[in-house]
Amino acid sequence: EVQLVESGGGLVQPGRSLRLSCTASGFIFDHYAIHWVRQAPGKGLEWVSGINWSSGNIEYADSVKGRFTLSWDSAKNSLFLQMNGLRTEDMAFYYCVRGSLWLGGPFAHWGQGTLVTVSS
Amino acid sequence: DIQMTQSPSSLSASVGDRVTITCRASQGIANYLAWYQQKPGKVPKLLINGASTLQSGVPSRFSGSGSGTDFTLTISSLQPEDVATYYCQNYKSAPFTFGPGTKVGIK
Repeated sequence: EVQLVESGGGLVQPGRSLRLSCTASGFIFDHYAIHWVRQAPGKGLEWVSGINWSSGNIEYADSVKGRFTLSWDSAKNSLFLQMNGLRTEDMAFYYCVRGSLWLGGPFAHWGQGTLVTVSS
Repeated sequence: DIQMTQSPSSLSASVGDRVTITCRASQGIANYLAWYQQKPGKVPKLLINGASTLQSGVPSRFSGSGSGTDFTLTISSLQPEDVATYYCQNYKSAPFTFGPGTKVGIK
């Protein structure tokens, strides 16, 4: 069974940093694109970032480019989202999502999400 | 970047009604279009990919159509368990933008 478990959310002040983790199981980690999607409370879905292992291609939404960075530990089947310079508009549930064999592709498997609250 | 729009933003229909939601892409995305259902307090669920391919386990009352820039999600006979917000998504190229969502309720 495909599982994605996020962790690392919490309360952080504007301008500070936070690192989210996504631990995957039930599939070969570096065979599928993995993405982060966020949703502010009561709002819609926003794609944040994604990685295609086979090409090494990483993409970011313009809203986070230069502030957020993807990294990973294949041995631990884990993907990380380093979030620097956090803003109040970054406050959201952050979902780790498994895509397809290429960077595009529908998002078939979602984690339960981790909440990031940005407030002074 | 490709922008996604949806209409209506919300609707209320009776049980058994046929419901249609429209999604439009700002440029052609062939059939690289997915539909998601998000029930209140739950994680989004993939309903349809490739604009018209139903995911396994999704009731057959759901269907999708379209190609290029204009797409439709249809619920042929609305059921109480279909109360949710529905999102379309471009997955042709990054950024993989979602539509703003359509909230479906029961009259």
